[in-house]
Amino acid sequence: DGGITQSPKYLFRKEGQNVTLSCEQNLNHDAMYWYRQDPGQGLRLIYYSQIVNDFQKGDIAEGYSVSREKKESFPLTVTSAQKNPTAFYLCASSIPSGPAGNEQFFGPGTRLTVL
Amino acid sequence: GQNIDQPTEMTATEGAIVQINCTYQTSGFNGLFWYQQHAGEAPTFLSYNVLDGLEEKGRFSSFLSRSKGYSYLLLKELQMKDSASYLCAVSMKRGSTLGRLYFGRGTQLTVWP
Repeated sequence: DGGITQSPKYLFRKEGQNVTLSCEQNLNHDAMYWYRQDPGQGLRLIYYSQIVNDFQKGDIAEGYSVSREKKESFPLTVTSAQKNPTAFYLCASSIPSGPAGNEQFFGPGTRLTVL
Repeated sequence: GQNIDQPTEMTATEGAIVQINCTYQTSGFNGLFWYQQHAGEAPTFLSYNVLDGLEEKGRFSSFLSRSKGYSYLLLKELQMKDSASYLCAVSMKRGSTLGRLYFGRGTQLTVWP
């Protein structure tokens, strides 16, 4: 079955540690995205990548880093420079001109708690 | 940035009809999406409008007016399982923003028995 996987579902880290969140898709989508969601908030874009080996900052990129070495994978690193890292992180992918515009398909999310 | 506005919360009773509005101010508009998100889960696609008018899909319908920068999601015959957050998102078509979605804060709908 095609889809997007994120692991782990729940992640706990101590303050000051870097942590990497995994996102893998087998939908053959070119574009991938990372969002952050806080309670009662919409989705805020952290980084996105329209093609392998290229990515752009979203609206809240500070304290985060990404890589896009393979089409299927778009890992997100939450660095110690991110002041409020505790949040729900969602990964998505899309075809820019698919049947429903650029519908984004979401992974199940990773809930990161920094203690 | 893009201004996308939707109500924070709405309540309704089972079997009723509810309309969730979304207004937006953007440049380079390329379509509007509605997603449903249950607590702690991923958003799931509900509808996509790029032309003016109403798109009907079962109990859910979505309307778009490009000239007014306005959309609504209409939910009929409400069920308890419809209690969720409904996210309005606008798609852009220019340059490096191609493919980006700009999300509103979401409308938390609670359906009472």
